[in-house]
Amino acid sequence: QVQLVQSATEVTKPGASVKVSCKASGYHFQSYNINWLRQAPGQGLEWLGWIRVSNGNTKYLEHLQDRITLTVDPTTPTTYMELRSLRPDDTAIYFCARTDYADYIDSWGQGTLITVSS
Amino acid sequence: DIRMTQSPSTLSASVGDTVTITCRATQNIHHWLAWHQQRPGKAPKVLIFKASKLETGVPSRFSGSGSGTEFTLTISSLQPDDFASYYCQQYTSYPLTFGGGTQIQIK
Repeated sequence: QVQLVQSATEVTKPGASVKVSCKASGYHFQSYNINWLRQAPGQGLEWLGWIRVSNGNTKYLEHLQDRITLTVDPTTPTTYMELRSLRPDDTAIYFCARTDYADYIDSWGQGTLITVSS
Repeated sequence: DIRMTQSPSTLSASVGDTVTITCRATQNIHHWLAWHQQRPGKAPKVLIFKASKLETGVPSRFSGSGSGTEFTLTISSLQPDDFASYYCQQYTSYPLTFGGGTQIQIK
């Protein structure tokens, strides 16, 4: 079955960078796109960006686009989200999620907690 | 960006009740709406897509309706597993946006 398995919890300091991975299995990787979203403690869901795994094209949330980079390694097959210049309000659970050609989210990763604290 | 508004934000109900959650969009999203369920400490799980289509394996007590700017999620005969948070999400354009969520609590 479709699985998106994310990397483990991280605790990091303000100003640092973090890179979260999302390893896909159980489907034809090139036929879907991967989105990244986050959920701050007790809050709702925020979409951060999208990568078309077939060609590496990306789209980012406007106010994050100078701090976020999505990349893909089709050989493993794994996508990565890097977030730089971290601030305490970046503390959240980060999810990867698969979308099809209609941009419909049909599967989610289990989530990765990123805590930014001095 | 398309803003999604859900109501109510919390709802108290008992096992066996029927509940309805409303979601409104600030512009016409046709039928490009999904509903996700999130249990505490877990990742969301999609229940409904294209406003009214049940994802495979989702019980038939869940139903969705609506088009354009107004949508509803109805859960008939609430079961213990259904006490969770629910989010609507539009996918007619990027950025994908979500409603603020509705938490269903046990009365």
